[in-house]
Amino acid sequence: NAGVTQTPKFRILKIGQSMTLQCTQDMNHNYMYWYRQDPGMGLKLIYYSVGAGITDKGEVPNGYNVSRSTTEDFPLRLELAAPSQTSVYFCASSYSPESYGYTFGSGTRLTVV
Amino acid sequence: DAKTTQPPSMDCAEGRAANLPCNHSTISGNEYVYWYRQIHSQGPQYIIHGLKNNETNEMASLIITEDRKSSTLILPHATLRDTAVYYCIVRLTGSARQLTFGSGTQLTVLP
Repeated sequence: NAGVTQTPKFRILKIGQSMTLQCTQDMNHNYMYWYRQDPGMGLKLIYYSVGAGITDKGEVPNGYNVSRSTTEDFPLRLELAAPSQTSVYFCASSYSPESYGYTFGSGTRLTVV
Repeated sequence: DAKTTQPPSMDCAEGRAANLPCNHSTISGNEYVYWYRQIHSQGPQYIIHGLKNNETNEMASLIITEDRKSSTLILPHATLRDTAVYYCIVRLTGSARQLTFGSGTQLTVLP
């Protein structure tokens, strides 16, 4: 049971480049989330999804896009990378937000130069 | 969701109980208290959660005061591997939108 898998683990982007951060879970969780964590700070919610085909904005969605075509996958897209998007990105999933905790991936460390 | 207040840092001797406090004085009746921890550079790890009653699992115990305005996470026998940032989060029932992480408490377990 792999849990939540994120790829890549590290990436350096140049300003204006685009990339997709991959997230997949094998627990059949309906709920999935993307967070970012800046150095020394708590996590901030970017986007979330309550099921395949349904996504919604979190606290800091600007500069990002998501899609949820399957239950397992929830990719995060950066279209025009900016230095302000340098951060560690965590994907998480949950069976039920109320009754269960979230399972987090190990993160993607992104640097935009 | 209600705001939480935690001390920025705490130390604990290895083998002793670590008691991490959290104040959530504006909590409402249908908000749960969650605890997560984040070991350096890793993704947060769920520890425990509760609504009204005290809870215990294999990792920790959660003590919630009768008025629900504060809670304490107890690690009964802290080890060096418990050194981490611990987050206390209050979250509204039925809300898929937010699990809001504040700055947490840096717990350092000392040998």
